[in-house]
Amino acid sequence: GAVVSQHPSRVICKSGTSVKIECRSLDFQATTMFWYRQFPKKSLMLMATSNEGSKATYEQGVEKDKFLINHASLTLSTLTVTSAHPEDSSFYICSARGLGGPYEQYFGPGTRLTVT
Amino acid sequence: QKEVEQNSGPLSVPEGAIASLNCTYSDRGSQSFFWYRQYSGKSPELIMFIYSNGDKEDGRFTAQLNKASQYVSLLIRDSQPSDSATYLCAVVRKAGGTSYGKLTFGQGTILTVHP
Repeated sequence: GAVVSQHPSRVICKSGTSVKIECRSLDFQATTMFWYRQFPKKSLMLMATSNEGSKATYEQGVEKDKFLINHASLTLSTLTVTSAHPEDSSFYICSARGLGGPYEQYFGPGTRLTVT
Repeated sequence: QKEVEQNSGPLSVPEGAIASLNCTYSDRGSQSFFWYRQYSGKSPELIMFIYSNGDKEDGRFTAQLNKASQYVSLLIRDSQPSDSATYLCAVVRKAGGTSYGKLTFGQGTILTVHP
């Protein structure tokens, strides 16, 4: 149980284009999903918290107009990187938290974004 | 003072030994504590969580929590080369409200198990 998928696993795009990343909880309903970014040899950085049916809460310093988050259902959240630039190249990871329990989060496999 | 602190390592242990990973946290209101394992280039994988003082065992892994000392540890018995990874300690600082159970991560400890 507690499987989270992400799609795509890798994406290469040109500077100025937008990229959408999907995060799905496959076998449980996720009231809350989180989006992280991780640069090489660095720790995870939380970008935003996404709750089903409401606006995402962004961490300080994260541009909400650049990183659009939609959590339309209890099993799907999407992150759209708009007008991507090379400095947005990173490993983007989502996680999902279930309806109960001690707030454990289950992580998706991640999406490696390269902006050329 | 960092909210969650771990020794970055690397911690090197021989195969078959016990690896001991430590973590301290600053917020006494923290409620739940998690250990994740992250292989290079992969996303974190949940190993264990603990929220009551004492020990919790799962296979070769034992998590220990001491809320009075604000300390949580992970012991890996019979360490294997496949255990070589970065181990992340994470804490939920408070439940409900706007935190929605946000995890605060330590910087991770690199563990190397050599044959």
